[in-house]
Amino acid sequence: ILNVEQSPQSLHVQEGDSTNFTCSFPSSNFYALHWYRWETAKSPEALFVMTLNGDEKKKGRISATLNTKEGYSYLYIKGSQPEDSATYLCAFRSGNQFYFGTGTSLTVIP
Amino acid sequence: DGGITQSPKYLFRKEGQNVTLSCEQNLNHDAMYWYRQDPGQGLRLIYYSQIVNDFQKGDIAEGYSVSREKKESFPLTVTSAQKNPTAFYLCASSIQGGLVQPQHFGDGTRLSIL
Repeated sequence: ILNVEQSPQSLHVQEGDSTNFTCSFPSSNFYALHWYRWETAKSPEALFVMTLNGDEKKKGRISATLNTKEGYSYLYIKGSQPEDSATYLCAFRSGNQFYFGTGTSLTVIP
Repeated sequence: DGGITQSPKYLFRKEGQNVTLSCEQNLNHDAMYWYRQDPGQGLRLIYYSQIVNDFQKGDIAEGYSVSREKKESFPLTVTSAQKNPTAFYLCASSIQGGLVQPQHFGDGTRLSIL
């Protein structure tokens, strides 16, 4: 079983703060790195899929970077809003299998 | 609307009983997946299927079985051989082929032992 780690485990920030989380994964047999947002009582929703070293993706106030050589990805949220409160999951794809981290739980305090 | 439907939302099982969790998708996706989530752990892959009538074991397949007779459906049976079945189960699907296809998830089924 491949090990995917996310940090921090949880985070509380004030509305308007910017924040970032880390996903660490094996640097071998890399196919893709996925980020998902999972709100309570809903299903996980895809944010980004990144495949190339140095990839940067952006969607509104959320962006992500990828370093496949050292095995990490960062997710950034600029100017956090209460509606950003959710658990953010990363998943490492190797072949046809996906390995998920335990997630970072973000709470944005109004 | 297109999506993935899992049923039931909550399921209770007696000791020694097999139960089947339903997963249906109308996204026309070839690939489907079953994951299990336990407290403090990431989603772990139980089984996946890339095409009808074919499926592969994930990391924690012991005590589970699946079938893929139709493209839309990928039911998971939790057998009595699964000694610790209490968990949250998520079904997902994706377009087969290409590395940039995300997974689409259902709302999950929470299974508990009576």
